[in-house]
Amino acid sequence: DTAVSQTPKYLVTQMGNDKSIKCEQNLGHDTMYWYKQDSKKFLKIMFSYNNKELIINETVPNRFSPKSPDKAHLNLHINSLELGDSAVYFCASSRNRAYEQYFGPGTRLTVT
Amino acid sequence: AQSVTQLGSHVSVSEGALVLLRCNYSSSVPPYLFWYVQYPNQGLQLLLKYTTGATLVKGINGFEAEFKKSETSFHLTKPSAHMSDAAEYFCAVSDQNKLSFGAGTTVTVRA
Repeated sequence: DTAVSQTPKYLVTQMGNDKSIKCEQNLGHDTMYWYKQDSKKFLKIMFSYNNKELIINETVPNRFSPKSPDKAHLNLHINSLELGDSAVYFCASSRNRAYEQYFGPGTRLTVT
Repeated sequence: AQSVTQLGSHVSVSEGALVLLRCNYSSSVPPYLFWYVQYPNQGLQLLLKYTTGATLVKGINGFEAEFKKSETSFHLTKPSAHMSDAAEYFCAVSDQNKLSFGAGTTVTVRA
């Protein structure tokens, strides 16, 4: 059983398009996260939700909008995609904010 | 605010040699510290963690790390490198609110 899953694994799209990435965890965790990993492998947190409530929003352009329909799901919608959005996006979950995080396999987004 | 510095963006070791990856942190509260490994085209996998208690923590795949408060360090070691250890390694610190990652260290293992 996959603990944290993301779809799609690869996403290639053109500038200006809108796309979504979905994340699901079956660990029963209360907290979920979105990270962006750039081409230099640097990981930066974007958002965090605890029990469907947004608790971290790190200076991310408002073209990025997370949505958590329930504790097990955290989706990321991106409007008006730009070249600089090309990266690998990771979803993660943890029991709560103090505990270790479990990562999904990542979604490689390429904007052309 | 919290931050992590990983000394050395790239480490090359011979198979069977000691692996030592350095991590220094800064945190305004007692930190929770983690090491993660990322294999090519995969997500991050937790190697080990320090929260409280014993300062020498053992993780998966033969790795261990020692928390040294006086040196604000959490270096990762493995006595004998294996080819399968080639990967990207990230140190991270949590202030019980969010994780901050270091820039990562790429480990290559020479046969």
